[in-house]
Amino acid sequence: AQKVTQAQTEISVVEKEDVTLDCVYETRDTTYYLFWYKQPPSGELVFLIRRNSFDEQNEISGRYSWNFQKSTSSFNFTITASQVVDSAVYFCALSETASGTYKYIFGTGTRLKVLA
Amino acid sequence: EPEVTQTPSHQVTQMGQEVILRCVPISNHLYFYWYRQILGQKVEFLVSFYNNEISEKSEIFDDQFSVERPDGSNFTLKIRSTKLEDSAMYFCASSEALVTVIVNQPQHFGDGTRLSIL
Repeated sequence: AQKVTQAQTEISVVEKEDVTLDCVYETRDTTYYLFWYKQPPSGELVFLIRRNSFDEQNEISGRYSWNFQKSTSSFNFTITASQVVDSAVYFCALSETASGTYKYIFGTGTRLKVLA
Repeated sequence: EPEVTQTPSHQVTQMGQEVILRCVPISNHLYFYWYRQILGQKVEFLVSFYNNEISEKSEIFDDQFSVERPDGSNFTLKIRSTKLEDSAMYFCASSEALVTVIVNQPQHFGDGTRLSIL
């Protein structure tokens, strides 16, 4: 069965610190997609990144970087030099393709608090 | 950039009343979804809809829920007789038609409707 685990429920860092949010997933599919979303206090879901199971290259976008490791079924997210505006809940999600419905399975989220 | 729009942003309803949440997906999208997020919890899949029928639904999506695409633009979620535990944020999402099984088009989420049941 598919499952996404975000073991860190809440992390607090001081501004300018680096922080890594962990995501571990379970799936029987060989073809799947992984996502990260940011949910600020206003409540909307902001798309950050999508990665397919065939592409294990790490990605960097500004202060954000993602480390995808199929061997450990992990898709971790690092924010470098964190800022107060990064404070939000971050969700990791999995979408399988074999089932044909492409629904997203979300983790329970990690609340990040960046203190000034 | 085209976006998914949801109305209203906040709905307050008495327990036992019917409520309809509305969504306008992105115009060329053919796959539609509803998700629910109870306050402080994770986002949970409710239902997916394609070609005018439900393609999958979760255990949460029981007989009190229904979805409809009444015209070419709206996608609605109806809760027939609301309960206190239906209080949540409801997200609509849409995605383009699948080209091949390998290509999983990303879902675009609306900003959500916060439903409060009194």
